[in-house]
Amino acid sequence: GQQLNQSPQSMFIQEGEDVSMNCTSSSIFNTWLWYKQEPGEGPVLLIALYKAGELTSNGRLTAQFGITRKDSFLNISASIPSDVGIYFCAGQSNSGNTPLVFGKGTRLSVIA
Amino acid sequence: DAGVIQSPRHEVTEMGQEVTLRCKPISGHDYLFWYRQTMMRGLELLIYFNNNVPIDDSGMPEDRFSAKMPNASFSTLKIQPSEPRDSAVYFCASSSGLVSEQYFGPGTRLTVT
Repeated sequence: GQQLNQSPQSMFIQEGEDVSMNCTSSSIFNTWLWYKQEPGEGPVLLIALYKAGELTSNGRLTAQFGITRKDSFLNISASIPSDVGIYFCAGQSNSGNTPLVFGKGTRLSVIA
Repeated sequence: DAGVIQSPRHEVTEMGQEVTLRCKPISGHDYLFWYRQTMMRGLELLIYFNNNVPIDDSGMPEDRFSAKMPNASFSTLKIQPSEPRDSAVYFCASSSGLVSEQYFGPGTRLTVT
């Protein structure tokens, strides 16, 4: 089946630093989504991307749909302690008749 | 809207017992998904429904797992008999369309001893 490679697996950063993480696929995707999961909760949708090259922001978060349609990036600016959690990318292939595929997540820790 | 509702939030049971997890999707959503999350395997799609009909159950690990959706507002995931390796967090998610954002419930943390 389709797989997404999400990197890095984990990050330890200082409060105030910017964060970048990415996701790549072996096939072309029509949709990229980014979720955040906090301890004891379900993943919460952060940003949805539907068009190659699209750049979308949600507060301090910015995500981009790669122009090759095989990758996506999430950036967090000026990190704060509440950014801690696991960030998942998810994508849907060009066929449109398969459900979302999820990456294995990037675990973010912020040191105050 | 209350979002996706799951119950119970935590379940501890002994090996061999039957376990039933419940989900109420967001009203108006026509797709419902069951996932299992573990440290080793991440988020795994178990089964999904469209308009209450199971579409793909290829992710269900064994015959011990079964899922039903008797109506648009309720779904169950049953494990019978349960085993320690079933211990995980089980999530339900719903969406309006397959090509659409999925919204997750808070999950059920299952521990089988």
